[in-house]
Amino acid sequence: KAGVTQTPRYLIKTRGQQVTLSCSPISGHRSVSWYQQTPGQGLQFLFEYFSETQRNKGNFPGRFSGRQFSNSRSEMNVSTLELGDSALYLCASSLQTGNTGELFFGEGSRLTVL
Amino acid sequence: GEDVEQSLFLSVREGDSSVINCTYTDSSSTYLYWYKQEPGAGLQLLTYIFSNMDMKQDQRLTVLLNKKDKHLSLRIADTQTGDSAIYFCAAPSGGYNKLIFGAGTRLAVHP
Repeated sequence: KAGVTQTPRYLIKTRGQQVTLSCSPISGHRSVSWYQQTPGQGLQFLFEYFSETQRNKGNFPGRFSGRQFSNSRSEMNVSTLELGDSALYLCASSLQTGNTGELFFGEGSRLTVL
Repeated sequence: GEDVEQSLFLSVREGDSSVINCTYTDSSSTYLYWYKQEPGAGLQLLTYIFSNMDMKQDQRLTVLLNKKDKHLSLRIADTQTGDSAIYFCAAPSGGYNKLIFGAGTRLAVHP
């Protein structure tokens, strides 16, 4: 079974630009969550989607947005990039059955903002 | 809201046991998790424990939960160099897949 796939793996942008990151969940998983990982703040929850609906959102500015498609694939977008947005962005998918909250993470998209 | 804290670094000798500790604040947490991150990789769920359990064993891994003290620990028996990684303790906060992670404990295994 293929794991969670994130693209691109690495990207470099400049301040003010925008970026779109993509996540393909494990087949059959309908929940997709996004996390930001930085050396200073650690792992922080961005948002979670289930059946194309955002169910949960973290404390990030409106420049961070996401969506989920009918095939459960998800994208996140960051507009007007700032230097502090440099981070590893991790996507995780879940079966969302029961209540274990078991997350399967992709390898991440590493964004560098210059 | 939930807060999770863990020590940042642990160094052990190959073959010894490793114990990584974590404290959390929200006593209503139903599940508590341990994730592992190897260099350049995403997070991998190692194990989790339900809040009505005191201990869970899974091969070389033993999780202990002290609900009174809100303390969680992960013991790795017979630690190997392949266990070198960052270990994160995590607790749910405000929704199924919203986890609050600790800062991570970097485990270094030396011969």
